[in-house]
Amino acid sequence: AQSVAQPEDQVNVAEGNPLTVKCTYSVSGNPYLFWYVQYPNRGLQFLLKYITGDNLVKGSYGFEAEFNKSQTSFHLKKPSALVSDSALYFCAVRDTHAGNNRKLIWGLGTSLAVNP
Amino acid sequence: SQTIHQWPATLVQPVGSPLSLECTVEGTSNPNLYWYRQAAGRGLQLLFYSVGIGQISSEVPQNLSASRPQDRQFILSSKKLLLSDSGFYLCAWSVTDHYEQYFGPGTRLTVT
Repeated sequence: AQSVAQPEDQVNVAEGNPLTVKCTYSVSGNPYLFWYVQYPNRGLQFLLKYITGDNLVKGSYGFEAEFNKSQTSFHLKKPSALVSDSALYFCAVRDTHAGNNRKLIWGLGTSLAVNP
Repeated sequence: SQTIHQWPATLVQPVGSPLSLECTVEGTSNPNLYWYRQAAGRGLQLLFYSVGIGQISSEVPQNLSASRPQDRQFILSSKKLLLSDSGFYLCAWSVTDHYEQYFGPGTRLTVT
């Protein structure tokens, strides 16, 4: 079965320190991978995607993500965390089942808290 | 540029009352449209998606329905709300070749 796992419900990091939010996936075929951020009582905002090419993808607000095919992972990273990065982060992968490729499979989200 | 609108932003409805949530997209044509529900501020549940006018795919059997009367309009409805329908409802759109979805601001529904 196709799935996305975000193994950490919550990540805590000090402001200025690097942050990593983990994501692993299981799909057949080539994965199309996405990261989103959600602030309280808001819709999700698209951060970045991996479709093909360079394994390190750069996105909005200084975030980047590294695609690792052998480990089936797509971890979100930022070199220096800001308090304003505190939010809920979602990883998603395109459903590759025939007829379903307009749908995304979502992780359950990771709450990031950046402490001043 | 593209914009997605949802209304209302918040809604409190009694059990058994009807529901109509509306979503419209501007600045693009023939988008794929999606309705999600998010409970307790965490996971997203895909409710319906549409690849064109009048074409609706239902993901979860329930007392909700969706319609797409115009190319960029997507409506979520219910004839009789249940307590379990409470949640944060999100509309999203995408274009076929890019797959990433763009979300509206959401509607907070509380069924009392």
